[in-house]
Order: sequence, then C-alpha cells, then structure tokens
Amino acid sequence: EAQVTQNPRYLITVTGKKLTVTCSQNMNHEYMSWYRQDPGLGLRQIYYSMNVEVTDKGDVPEGYKVSRKEKRNFPLILESPSPNQTSLYFCASSLLAGAFDEQFFGPGTRLTVL
Amino acid sequence: AQKITQTQPGMFVQEKEAVTLDCTYDTSDPSYGLFWYKQPSSGEMIFLIYQGSYDQQNATEGRYSLNFQKARKSANLVISASQLGDSAMYFCAMREGYSGAGSYQLTFGKGTKLSVIP
Repeated sequence: EAQVTQNPRYLITVTGKKLTVTCSQNMNHEYMSWYRQDPGLGLRQIYYSMNVEVTDKGDVPEGYKVSRKEKRNFPLILESPSPNQTSLYFCASSLLAGAFDEQFFGPGTRLTVL
Repeated sequence: AQKITQTQPGMFVQEKEAVTLDCTYDTSDPSYGLFWYKQPSSGEMIFLIYQGSYDQQNATEGRYSLNFQKARKSANLVISASQLGDSAMYFCAMREGYSGAGSYQLTFGKGTKLSVIP
C-alpha cells in the first residue's frame, strides 16, 4: 500500500530532551516536506527536501533540523525541544515539486513539550 | 495578502443535503494546483479532490465536486448528499508552479468546520 508513515504518533517529552520524529514513504517520491499545525495559525512548512541530500528551510525552521540521506526517509529532529514546539506535525511527500503534484500526508504526530 | 481564503469558519448542513464550502485564492502564477483536504477529529489529512489551473472541466470525485471559476479565482468544494461522517474540518490548499520562496509548499486556508446534523 502506498503510504507515508510517521513515528511516533504521540509523544510527550520535557524541555531540552532531544527527539526525532521519523517519516518514511514507499512511493519513490522526490519531494518531502514537514508541516506543523497550530490552532489559529493553520499549517506551516518547517523544512522541505527536493531530493536526497537537498534540503531547505520553509517558513518556520527555527528549532528544527532535518536530513535526507535516503530517498524514502526524512526525519525531523528537535535538538532541544521547547514548549512552543508543542504542535501537530505532518510529513508529506509528492512525486515531484510541481504545481500539479498531490502531496500525500502521513497520519500526523502529536507532540507535547512540557 | 492571504493566498487562500476560506470565509466560513463553521457550517451546518442537514444529512442528505448538499453543501458548498467556499475557497478563494490569490496567485500570479499561471500554473497552480488547488487541493481540498478533510481533517476529521482524529487528525489525519485526507486528500479529497484536485483541480489544475489548466483543466477545462470541473473536477469530480464521487460525492465531491469542485466548482472552479478561474476568472473569479474561486475553487469551491461541493459535497452532495451529506453524511454524518462528513463532519470534519475542510482545508483548501494551493500549490504554485513557482512560489516566491521556491519551496513548492502547499499553502493552506484556515479551514471550515463542517457539522452534519441528523
């Protein structure tokens, strides 16, 4: 089944404890992206990747890191999480970066930073 | 200026009736795609329907159709024969052929919360 998977689905952690949210897609997509969703602010892009070893900042990259060592994986790293990073996170992928390419979303990761 | 505007924060519809969710967009790019997503209370983003800027016909997908009026820059979602399971947040989103930041991201509206009444 074609899909984007994220782990964990739910995470409660404490300020400063490094964490990684994994994202994997099995569709051989070149483009991958991370979004965060917050009430009243909608979905905002954190980082994106056009292909292996090609990543760049989105609208809200502060406090996050990413890597793209393999085409299928695009982990999101929070080196020192803070309470303002409490949010619902989505990983998404598309075949290419074109206007007509649908982005497939993962199931989301609900992160709470205490 | 907002690129995607959804003016209806919340809507109610009677079961089995049709409902239209409004979406207007703003872009100077001739190539763009418009997408609608459904987000139930469980949180996942479910793709519903897509319309490309060069498509001549309105997109349809089962009970979902997209009323695309290019000159008015509107892309309204029509849900026919509403069901209780349609109660959810609905997001309109746009992807441009070239965005100013070059990120090729989906730009989302604020969403419309649809409640289907039995």
